[in-house]
Amino acid sequence: GDSVTQMEGPVTLSEEAFLTINCTYTATGYPSLFWYVQYPGEGLQLLLKATKADDKGSNKGFEATYRKETTSFHLEKGSVQVSDSAVYFCALRSTDSWGKFQFGAGTQVVVTP
Amino acid sequence: KAGVTQTPRYLIKTRGQQVTLSCSPISGHRSVSWYQQTPGQGLQFLFEYFSETQRNKGNFPGRFSGRQFSNSRSEMNVSTLELGDSALYLCASSLADSRQETQYFGPGTRLLVL
Repeated sequence: GDSVTQMEGPVTLSEEAFLTINCTYTATGYPSLFWYVQYPGEGLQLLLKATKADDKGSNKGFEATYRKETTSFHLEKGSVQVSDSAVYFCALRSTDSWGKFQFGAGTQVVVTP
Repeated sequence: KAGVTQTPRYLIKTRGQQVTLSCSPISGHRSVSWYQQTPGQGLQFLFEYFSETQRNKGNFPGRFSGRQFSNSRSEMNVSTLELGDSALYLCASSLADSRQETQYFGPGTRLLVL
C-alpha cells in the first residue's frame, strides 16, 4: 500500500538557520503530495502542495519539489524563525482508494532564538 | 468562508462510557475524514465519508463508528471507552473526489478517558 516516510525529530535549529525535512513516499500511480503544519494545541494546516512531477509548492518561505525519480518531496526553508516551531507532516493523496490520504509520522521542529 | 468546526473541543469521560463527536465541514465540501492523533501512534486514519457513504476505513475496532448527514455534517461515535482512546480526534473535509483536492482540518476534539 501507499506510505510516507519522513525524518524523525526533533530537529533543533537556531533562528535564521536553513531547514530541510526529508520526505519519501511509496505509491502507485501519480499521487498528489502535501505538507501540513501543526502548531501546539491546534489542528493541521496546509502549508503547500504539488500535484504532478517537477511541480514546486511554496508558501511562507517554505518550498518543496515533487521528485518522481527519487519519490521524494523534501521541505526546505532558507531562514527559519522561532514562530516556525511546530510539527510538520508530509502526506500523499492516493490515486486509488477514493483518494485516501496517507500521512507521515510528523517531524517536530524547534527553533531557538 | 468558515473553516471546519468540531464540537466539543474538550471532553472528559470515564471508561465504559460512550461519546459522540461532531464535525461540520467547510460549506460545499462533501468528503469528511476522521483521524486519531496520539503521541505514541501519531496520526491514524479512522474513516472517510462521502455523500453519506463510508468509502474508506482504517484499522480500528468496531467500537469506532461514524455517519454523515445529508448536509455533509458528520458524527463519530466511540462506545465502551477505554483509557487508550484518550487522544486528539481530528476531522478534515475536502471538496470532491479529485486527487488534487486538499483536506482542510478542524481544530480537533481532545478526549480524555479516566
